[in-house]
Amino acid sequence: QVQLQESGPGLVKPSETLSLTCTVSGVSIRDYYWSWIRQPPGKRLEWIGNIYYSGSTNYNPSLQSRVTISADTSKNEFSLKLGSVTPADTAVYYCSRGAGWLPDYWGQGTLVTVSS
Amino acid sequence: EIVLTQSPGTLSLSPGERATLSCRASQSIPSNYLAWYQRKAGQAPRLLIYGASSRAAGIPDRLSGSGSGTDFTLTISRLEPEDFAVYYCQQYGSSPLTFGGGTKVEI
Repeated sequence: QVQLQESGPGLVKPSETLSLTCTVSGVSIRDYYWSWIRQPPGKRLEWIGNIYYSGSTNYNPSLQSRVTISADTSKNEFSLKLGSVTPADTAVYYCSRGAGWLPDYWGQGTLVTVSS
Repeated sequence: EIVLTQSPGTLSLSPGERATLSCRASQSIPSNYLAWYQRKAGQAPRLLIYGASSRAAGIPDRLSGSGSGTDFTLTISRLEPEDFAVYYCQQYGSSPLTFGGGTKVEI
């Protein structure tokens, strides 16, 4: 079955770059869209952006200047980089598969805290 | 961007009762691309409904979605113990994708 697992540091310092990887099993990352979504404490879910395996990306305009999403088909994984982080970027980060633009399978999420 | 407003924020019900959850959009959602998700603590969100009214694979028929344009509803006809969770609506018809604030269904 389709499984997604987020991994990366749970603590990042302000002004540094947050880096996360989503390892996908049970399906090839080819032929689907792959998204990152986050939820800060007490706030609603926020779509960060997505990537098609070919490398085509789409980002939320609110984060576009700081975000890069990339994919590695040889490892069947995709990644998120968010630069110049502040405490407002503290959130549970989810990766998900998109059937088109519809997120249909999600990882369990990983908490990333931005603090010195 | 399309803003989604869910109501009520919390729904207190008993097993066997009917739950009606609302999601209202700030503008019409293209192609009624509205989805509903269930999330339980520590678990991945689970897709329930897509395209406003189509059930995802494995979702029981006591859950149903309806609506079009700007007003959508998720109905759980008879609550089972496993249905007590937080539910989110999400639109995927217009970028950026956006989510509602969630409705908690509690006992």
